[in-house]
Amino acid sequence: DAGVIQSPRHEVTEMGQEVTLRCKPISGHDYLFWYRQTMMRGLELLIYFNNNVPIDDSGMPEDRFSAKMPNASFSTLKIQPSEPRDSAVYFCASSLSGGGDEQFFGPGTRLTVL
Amino acid sequence: GENVEQHPSTLSVQEGDSAVIKCTYSDSASNYFPWYKQELGKGPQLIIDIRSNVGEKKDQRIAVTLNKTAKHFSLHITETQPEDSAVYFCAASHRNMLTFGGGTRLMVKP
Repeated sequence: DAGVIQSPRHEVTEMGQEVTLRCKPISGHDYLFWYRQTMMRGLELLIYFNNNVPIDDSGMPEDRFSAKMPNASFSTLKIQPSEPRDSAVYFCASSLSGGGDEQFFGPGTRLTVL
Repeated sequence: GENVEQHPSTLSVQEGDSAVIKCTYSDSASNYFPWYKQELGKGPQLIIDIRSNVGEKKDQRIAVTLNKTAKHFSLHITETQPEDSAVYFCAASHRNMLTFGGGTRLMVKP
């Protein structure tokens, strides 16, 4: 398997623009997680899905953030409108089961909002 | 919610020495404690994990210990090598969610 795939790897946009990050989890994994990594806040969980259903989105910072998982092989994280403080590395991870199981991380998307 | 503290934030050792990273957690319901290694420009990768019913686990040069009573766990790397240089994260899992510590930048000097 190719592992977790994320696109784009780098995104530079201007404040106010819509940004869409994409993730393809490992085939057969039932859980998908979106994380954000910054120097100030470290690695924080934004939202996770089980069998394509959002389970906990308490980490989503604001209504400007939304995530979807239309099928088992694809998820998106959207920011609309984007702000400079959204600049971070966004990771997608997947696992076979939930707690107590290894999460496999993608390479991340480095987002810069000017 | 869960809170995980990690120390030290940076650690510099000589090649061949041992390195120890310590973490504490707050939620006694947490039952799974993985350690991740993150290299520059890459996503975190699991290196070892321990569950709440085990006190110690070892995998070659890496070992992890867990003290449930005190709510702390530690990562031990022996015979460090330059390729061990990276950022290491501890985490605690409860209800399918991982809470990460702030990370430790380990530098192994040849």
